Amino acid sequence: EVQLVESGGGLVQPGRSLRLSCTASGFRFGEYAMIWVRQAPGKGLEWVGFIRSRTYGETTEYAASVKGRFTMSRDDSKRIAYLQMNSLKTEDTAVYYCTRDQRFGPTVGAMDVWGQGTTVTVSS
Amino acid sequence: DIQMTQSPSSLSASIGDRVTITCQASQDISDYLNWYQQKPGKAPKLLIYDASNLEAGVPSRFTGSGSGTDFTLTISRLQAEDIATYYCQQYDNLPYTFGQGTKLEIK
Repeated sequence: EVQLVESGGGLVQPGRSLRLSCTASGFRFGEYAMIWVRQAPGKGLEWVGFIRSRTYGETTEYAASVKGRFTMSRDDSKRIAYLQMNSLKTEDTAVYYCTRDQRFGPTVGAMDVWGQGTTVTVSS
Repeated sequence: DIQMTQSPSSLSASIGDRVTITCQASQDISDYLNWYQQKPGKAPKLLIYDASNLEAGVPSRFTGSGSGTDFTLTISRLQAEDIATYYCQQYDNLPYTFGQGTKLEIK
Protein backbone atom coordinates (compact mmCIF):
# COMPACT_ATOMS: atom_id res chain seq x y z
CA GLU A 1 0.00 0.00 0.00
CA VAL A 2 1.26 3.44 -0.92
CA GLN A 3 1.52 5.42 2.29
CA LEU A 4 3.03 8.52 3.85
CA VAL A 5 3.25 8.94 7.61
CA GLU A 6 4.26 12.22 9.22
CA SER A 7 5.72 12.54 12.68
CA GLY A 8 7.47 15.09 14.84
CA GLY A 9 4.71 17.59 15.45
CA GLY A 10 4.00 19.07 18.84
CA LEU A 11 3.91 22.17 20.98
CA VAL A 12 6.88 24.49 20.65
CA GLN A 13 7.65 28.00 21.84
CA PRO A 14 8.09 30.88 19.41
CA GLY A 15 11.64 31.13 18.14
CA ARG A 16 12.38 27.47 18.70
CA SER A 17 12.90 24.70 16.17
CA LEU A 18 11.15 21.49 15.21
CA ARG A 19 11.85 18.80 12.62
CA LEU A 20 9.06 16.91 10.93
CA SER A 21 9.60 13.56 9.28
CA CYS A 22 7.62 11.89 6.53
CA THR A 23 8.14 8.16 6.15
CA ALA A 24 7.13 6.63 2.83
CA SER A 25 6.20 3.08 1.93
CA GLY A 26 4.77 1.19 -1.01
CA PHE A 27 6.47 3.12 -3.81
CA ARG A 28 9.91 4.01 -5.15
CA PHE A 29 10.42 6.99 -2.87
CA GLY A 30 13.63 8.17 -4.49
CA GLU A 31 11.95 8.80 -7.83
CA TYR A 32 9.43 11.33 -6.60
CA ALA A 33 9.47 14.93 -5.54
CA MET A 34 7.98 15.46 -2.11
CA ILE A 35 5.81 18.42 -1.28
CA TRP A 36 4.76 19.94 2.04
CA VAL A 37 1.40 21.65 2.53
CA ARG A 38 0.01 23.13 5.72
CA GLN A 39 -3.39 24.12 7.03
CA ALA A 40 -3.85 26.56 9.87
CA PRO A 41 -6.78 25.86 12.20
CA GLY A 42 -10.05 26.51 10.39
CA LYS A 43 -8.26 27.82 7.31
CA GLY A 44 -7.48 26.67 3.78
CA LEU A 45 -4.49 24.90 2.32
CA GLU A 46 -1.12 26.62 1.97
CA TRP A 47 1.73 25.29 -0.15
CA VAL A 48 4.94 25.27 1.89
CA GLY A 49 7.42 23.96 -0.66
CA PHE A 50 8.93 20.91 -2.26
CA ILE A 51 12.13 18.96 -2.76
CA ARG A 52 12.81 17.32 -6.10
CA SER A 53 14.27 13.86 -6.50
CA ARG A 54 17.98 13.14 -6.67
CA THR A 55 17.66 12.90 -10.45
CA TYR A 56 16.79 16.57 -10.43
CA GLY A 57 19.40 17.58 -7.91
CA GLU A 58 17.19 17.47 -4.80
CA THR A 59 16.52 21.12 -5.52
CA THR A 60 14.06 22.90 -3.30
CA GLU A 61 11.51 25.66 -3.57
CA TYR A 62 9.78 27.43 -0.68
CA ALA A 63 6.90 29.73 0.00
CA ALA A 64 7.97 33.25 0.88
CA SER A 65 6.41 32.87 4.33
CA VAL A 66 8.90 30.14 5.28
CA LYS A 67 11.92 30.84 3.07
CA GLY A 68 15.07 31.22 5.14
CA ARG A 69 13.50 29.53 8.16
CA PHE A 70 12.39 26.13 6.82
CA THR A 71 14.62 23.59 5.09
CA MET A 72 13.53 20.46 3.26
CA SER A 73 15.76 17.44 2.86
CA ARG A 74 15.45 13.76 2.14
CA ASP A 75 17.15 10.48 2.90
CA ASP A 76 16.26 8.10 0.11
CA SER A 77 17.96 5.16 1.81
CA LYS A 78 15.58 5.55 4.75
CA ARG A 79 12.62 6.64 2.59
CA ILE A 80 12.15 9.74 4.71
CA ALA A 81 11.53 13.37 3.83
CA TYR A 82 12.27 16.03 6.42
CA LEU A 83 11.01 19.51 7.13
CA GLN A 84 13.34 21.40 9.45
CA MET A 85 11.53 24.40 10.89
CA ASN A 86 13.57 27.09 12.63
CA SER A 87 12.64 30.43 14.18
CA LEU A 88 9.06 29.29 14.50
CA LYS A 89 6.32 31.87 14.71
CA THR A 90 2.81 31.64 16.10
CA GLU A 91 1.51 31.91 12.52
CA ASP A 92 3.27 28.62 11.69
CA THR A 93 0.68 26.82 13.80
CA ALA A 94 -0.97 24.34 11.46
CA VAL A 95 -1.45 20.75 10.43
CA TYR A 96 1.49 19.87 8.19
CA TYR A 97 0.92 17.41 5.38
CA CYS A 98 3.57 15.54 3.47
CA THR A 99 2.54 14.74 -0.08
CA ARG A 100 3.93 13.06 -3.18
CA ASP A 101 4.24 14.58 -6.62
CA GLN A 102 2.06 12.66 -9.01
CA ARG A 103 4.66 11.98 -11.65
CA PHE A 104 8.34 11.96 -12.45
CA GLY A 105 10.11 14.90 -14.01
CA PRO A 106 11.42 18.31 -13.08
CA THR A 107 7.99 19.91 -13.01
CA VAL A 108 6.30 19.34 -9.69
CA GLY A 109 2.55 19.32 -10.14
CA ALA A 110 -0.35 17.46 -8.59
CA MET A 111 -0.19 15.87 -5.16
CA ASP A 112 -1.58 12.36 -5.43
CA VAL A 113 -0.64 10.80 -2.09
CA TRP A 114 -1.08 12.57 1.24
CA GLY A 115 -0.08 11.71 4.76
CA GLN A 116 -2.51 12.02 7.64
CA GLY A 117 -0.84 15.23 8.81
CA THR A 118 0.99 16.19 11.96
CA THR A 119 0.00 19.13 14.15
CA VAL A 120 2.46 21.88 15.01
CA THR A 121 1.44 24.39 17.65
CA VAL A 122 3.66 27.39 18.23
CA SER A 123 2.77 29.07 21.48
CA SER A 124 4.36 30.38 24.61
CA ASP B 1 1.91 35.44 -6.86
CA ILE B 2 -1.01 34.01 -8.80
CA GLN B 3 -4.30 34.45 -6.96
CA MET B 4 -6.85 31.69 -7.23
CA THR B 5 -10.43 32.73 -6.53
CA GLN B 6 -13.12 30.13 -6.05
CA SER B 7 -16.84 30.68 -6.11
CA PRO B 8 -19.00 30.19 -4.33
CA SER B 9 -17.28 29.99 -0.95
CA SER B 10 -20.08 27.77 0.26
CA LEU B 11 -22.83 25.88 -1.44
CA SER B 12 -25.89 23.97 -0.32
CA ALA B 13 -27.33 21.39 -2.69
CA SER B 14 -29.63 18.38 -2.69
CA ILE B 15 -28.72 14.78 -3.35
CA GLY B 16 -28.86 14.18 -7.07
CA ASP B 17 -28.23 17.82 -7.98
CA ARG B 18 -25.67 18.94 -10.51
CA VAL B 19 -23.08 21.06 -8.71
CA THR B 20 -20.63 23.47 -10.27
CA ILE B 21 -17.67 25.16 -8.58
CA THR B 22 -15.57 27.71 -10.40
CA CYS B 23 -11.95 28.75 -9.97
CA GLN B 24 -10.45 31.83 -11.55
CA ALA B 25 -6.73 32.50 -11.81
CA SER B 26 -5.34 36.03 -11.72
CA GLN B 27 -3.32 35.27 -14.85
CA ASP B 28 -3.13 32.65 -17.58
CA ILE B 29 -2.07 29.30 -16.12
CA SER B 30 -2.80 27.17 -19.21
CA ASP B 31 -4.09 23.87 -17.83
CA TYR B 32 -1.79 23.68 -14.79
CA LEU B 33 -4.72 23.34 -12.45
CA ASN B 34 -5.66 20.62 -9.97
CA TRP B 35 -8.72 20.00 -7.82
CA TYR B 36 -8.76 18.44 -4.35
CA GLN B 37 -11.49 17.25 -2.03
CA GLN B 38 -11.10 17.48 1.73
CA LYS B 39 -13.54 15.85 4.10
CA PRO B 40 -13.70 17.05 7.73
CA GLY B 41 -10.73 15.89 9.77
CA LYS B 42 -9.12 14.19 6.79
CA ALA B 43 -6.25 14.90 4.43
CA PRO B 44 -7.11 16.30 1.01
CA LYS B 45 -7.53 13.94 -1.92
CA LEU B 46 -6.62 14.60 -5.54
CA LEU B 47 -9.68 14.54 -7.81
CA ILE B 48 -8.68 16.20 -11.08
CA TYR B 49 -5.24 17.03 -12.46
CA ASP B 50 -4.21 19.18 -15.39
CA ALA B 51 -7.65 20.80 -15.40
CA SER B 52 -9.60 17.90 -16.86
CA ASN B 53 -7.99 14.55 -16.08
CA LEU B 54 -9.73 12.32 -13.59
CA GLU B 55 -7.42 10.81 -11.00
CA ALA B 56 -7.55 7.01 -10.79
CA GLY B 57 -10.30 5.74 -8.55
CA VAL B 58 -12.29 8.97 -8.53
CA PRO B 59 -15.95 8.52 -9.53
CA SER B 60 -16.83 9.60 -13.04
CA ARG B 61 -19.48 12.01 -11.76
CA PHE B 62 -16.58 14.42 -11.15
CA THR B 63 -15.41 16.36 -14.19
CA GLY B 64 -13.04 19.27 -14.65
CA SER B 65 -12.86 21.74 -17.47
CA GLY B 66 -11.29 25.03 -18.48
CA SER B 67 -7.97 26.51 -19.44
CA GLY B 68 -6.25 29.85 -19.22
CA THR B 69 -7.88 31.67 -16.30
CA ASP B 70 -11.28 30.05 -15.86
CA PHE B 71 -11.89 26.55 -14.58
CA THR B 72 -14.84 24.48 -13.43
CA LEU B 73 -15.34 21.43 -11.26
CA THR B 74 -18.69 19.72 -11.83
CA ILE B 75 -20.36 16.97 -9.87
CA SER B 76 -22.99 15.54 -12.18
CA ARG B 77 -25.21 13.98 -9.51
CA LEU B 78 -24.41 14.89 -5.92
CA GLN B 79 -24.03 12.03 -3.49
CA ALA B 80 -24.00 12.22 0.30
CA GLU B 81 -20.33 11.23 0.40
CA ASP B 82 -19.41 14.28 -1.69
CA ILE B 83 -19.91 16.57 1.27
CA ALA B 84 -16.53 18.21 1.66
CA THR B 85 -14.51 21.30 0.96
CA TYR B 86 -13.06 21.57 -2.53
CA TYR B 87 -9.85 23.38 -3.45
CA CYS B 88 -8.28 24.33 -6.73
CA GLN B 89 -4.49 24.69 -6.99
CA GLN B 90 -2.27 26.12 -9.70
CA TYR B 91 1.23 24.92 -10.48
CA ASP B 92 2.06 27.13 -13.43
CA ASN B 93 4.14 29.56 -11.39
CA LEU B 94 5.93 29.47 -8.08
CA PRO B 95 4.72 29.81 -5.44
CA TYR B 96 2.02 27.25 -6.02
CA THR B 97 -1.25 28.61 -4.71
CA PHE B 98 -4.63 27.24 -3.67
CA GLY B 99 -8.05 28.74 -3.90
CA GLN B 100 -9.73 29.61 -0.62
CA GLY B 101 -11.98 26.56 -0.81
CA THR B 102 -15.65 25.85 -1.47
CA LYS B 103 -17.59 24.17 1.31
CA LEU B 104 -20.29 21.92 -0.05
CA GLU B 105 -23.22 21.01 2.18
CA ILE B 106 -26.41 19.03 1.80
CA LYS B 107 -29.63 21.00 1.63
